[in-house]
Amino acid sequence: QQPVQSPQAVILREGEDAVINCSSSKALYSVHWYRQKHGEAPVFLMILLKGGEQKGHDKISASFNEKKQQSSLYLTASQLSYSGTYFCGTEEGGTSYGKLTFGQGTILTVHP
Amino acid sequence: NAGVMQNPRHLVRRRGQEARLRCSPMKGHSHVYWYRQLPEEGLKFMVYLQKENIIDESGMPKERFSAEFPKEGPSILRIQQVVRGDSAAYFCASSPQGAGTGELFFGEGSRLTVL
Repeated sequence: QQPVQSPQAVILREGEDAVINCSSSKALYSVHWYRQKHGEAPVFLMILLKGGEQKGHDKISASFNEKKQQSSLYLTASQLSYSGTYFCGTEEGGTSYGKLTFGQGTILTVHP
Repeated sequence: NAGVMQNPRHLVRRRGQEARLRCSPMKGHSHVYWYRQLPEEGLKFMVYLQKENIIDESGMPKERFSAEFPKEGPSILRIQQVVRGDSAAYFCASSPQGAGTGELFFGEGSRLTVL
């Protein structure tokens, strides 16, 4: 069963913040976040492992609440280059070889 | 350092024909994954291969689809007797080892259109 992402779409002005959520009904081993621009390959953003952690680089960070099986991606001071579709990909407990179940995606549009 | 290379980028087939999609992983990567993406949807896992071995093909349709990753040469996803529902973008990804704790490197995809 695929994880559920919310919201489905977000529209921002440059400099604004956004949060994208990813929720699963299964016990998770890891959560991966990718961004895909139209017609291009998905690009890795970060991975969070069970044990509950928070990661970040530049102005993009993420958290993973293992008990709730939820992850959130935080984008602060958004830039035009942040526009794209964001996917979370999850691996269930017991498997850890890259077999990801992706959410349906969140479309982020950043305007000047 | 070349990334994951997929070809063809675009492929048009008529119903009943065969489609062959190729994927050359990044140098040094021995793990290959195929994902399918339907329009406006997320990526769906199809198959995970290592050199000469299929590790997990739980996402592959039981009929008409097959995948291989030979000792020499690219990984190939083969779709026989294509139908309109096979129209999608097929993405290949690679990793240096099982990517449970690391990233998957995706190619730019092969877009199959079935007329």
